[in-house]
Amino acid sequence: DQQVKQNSPSLSVQEGRISILNCDYTNSMFDYFLWYKKYPAEGPTFLISISSIKDKNEDGRFTVFLNKSAKHLSLHIVPSQPGDSAVYFCAAKSISGGGADGLTFGKGTHLIIQP
Amino acid sequence: DAGVTQSPTHLIKTRGQQVTLRCSPKSGHDTVSWYQQALGQGPQFIFQYYEEEERQRGNFPDRFSGHQFPNYSSELNVNALLLGDSALYLCASSLGGQSNQPQHFGDGTRLSIL
Repeated sequence: DQQVKQNSPSLSVQEGRISILNCDYTNSMFDYFLWYKKYPAEGPTFLISISSIKDKNEDGRFTVFLNKSAKHLSLHIVPSQPGDSAVYFCAAKSISGGGADGLTFGKGTHLIIQP
Repeated sequence: DAGVTQSPTHLIKTRGQQVTLRCSPKSGHDTVSWYQQALGQGPQFIFQYYEEEERQRGNFPDRFSGHQFPNYSSELNVNALLLGDSALYLCASSLGGQSNQPQHFGDGTRLSIL
């Protein structure tokens, strides 16, 4: 039972264009969402997060949108650069639910930026 | 500012053996979480340690155990290794056991079981 789903295993985008990565979740208790980027042979690097009290969070070229009613979030990268080529993971957790904060991850989307 | 460090980077074991992986959290962090990432999958949460106690556990058997030391570093122990335990083991650290602060990951230990 996958609670966080990234349905696109890979995505190819031209340099300079917008990259849009999607993520769906099923657990209504999730109220904090994160995006991580992973290069081969390295650990995931935190990119951006959003709390369920917001519907948008922006940091430089990265913007995350959250649609709570659809249980959907997306990461927009504008403009896309060659260094953005990596695997992107969507992750979620429940802060208000109490207890500790183990993250639930999707399977990742491999973003390839074409020159 | 030292980030999360893990050792060793690679390890080869045979079925039935035991293994210990180590993690030092990012400077200033007091909480350590462990994840298992199989090939082609996202990381799966194993457990989290805070104040030297296991606070939360994912869906992993008792063969997986851990420890946190007073300096906040942590160990992951796996007993009676199975072929299916072959994976990348990631350690992540954060501040506080429950917060809206992101977890920061190390580069992982690649464990291969023969």
